[in-house]
Amino acid sequence: QSALTQPPSASGSPGQSVTISCTGTSSDIGTYNYVSWYQQHPGKAPKLMIYEVNKRPSGVPDRFSGSKSGNTASLTVSGLQAEDEADYFCCSYAGSNNFGVFGTGTKVTVL
Amino acid sequence: QVQLQASGPGLVKPSQTLSLTCTVSGDSISSGGNSWSWIRQHPGKGLEWIGYIYYNDNTYYNPSLKTRVKISLDTSKNQFSLELRSVTAADTAVYYCARDRGKRRFDPWGQGTLVTVSS
Repeated sequence: QSALTQPPSASGSPGQSVTISCTGTSSDIGTYNYVSWYQQHPGKAPKLMIYEVNKRPSGVPDRFSGSKSGNTASLTVSGLQAEDEADYFCCSYAGSNNFGVFGTGTKVTVL
Repeated sequence: QVQLQASGPGLVKPSQTLSLTCTVSGDSISSGGNSWSWIRQHPGKGLEWIGYIYYNDNTYYNPSLKTRVKISLDTSKNQFSLELRSVTAADTAVYYCARDRGKRRFDPWGQGTLVTVSS
């Protein structure tokens, strides 16, 4: 199963918004509303930021939001802060007999 | 607070078996509802799912690794383990353990452990 496609990089100035896309297929993102997003700082473990397309775990700032249209999911970070500079990965469920796939990853830079 | 801690040798020789253990605190691996995964990340690369195990010992492995992988539970120690046989340099990666709360909601992750395959 192929990885979900993300842009390699994205950037924005403090206070601005940045949106990262995650493109899959009709076998994963297009069928299931189970897309999750993870933030990873250098040398650290990934951290869950969004699950089930647009739900935020407790403790995640509401500056982080998720959405989906067709085979593409998106993560938007509003009001960018320096600590948002990190790698972001998406992940989609793809059925009970299939693990699913991770995205290729996007490096977000705060200018 | 649920925490996962991966441990194991940081250096494995080619053709040998990589063995890692993930110790879980704050949750019981024998309770239903969650699965327990191993995920790896090659240096500077993306995430690759290795496999997962349920509380009832049902497992599912990445087809590309299936012939070399085994994931098992030790409920007495609240741990789950990874064995990857016949390793090569291509298996050099940071290995993470994680709890899947359902439908690929991985939370939390262990801190990750770097395993280098080299003679």
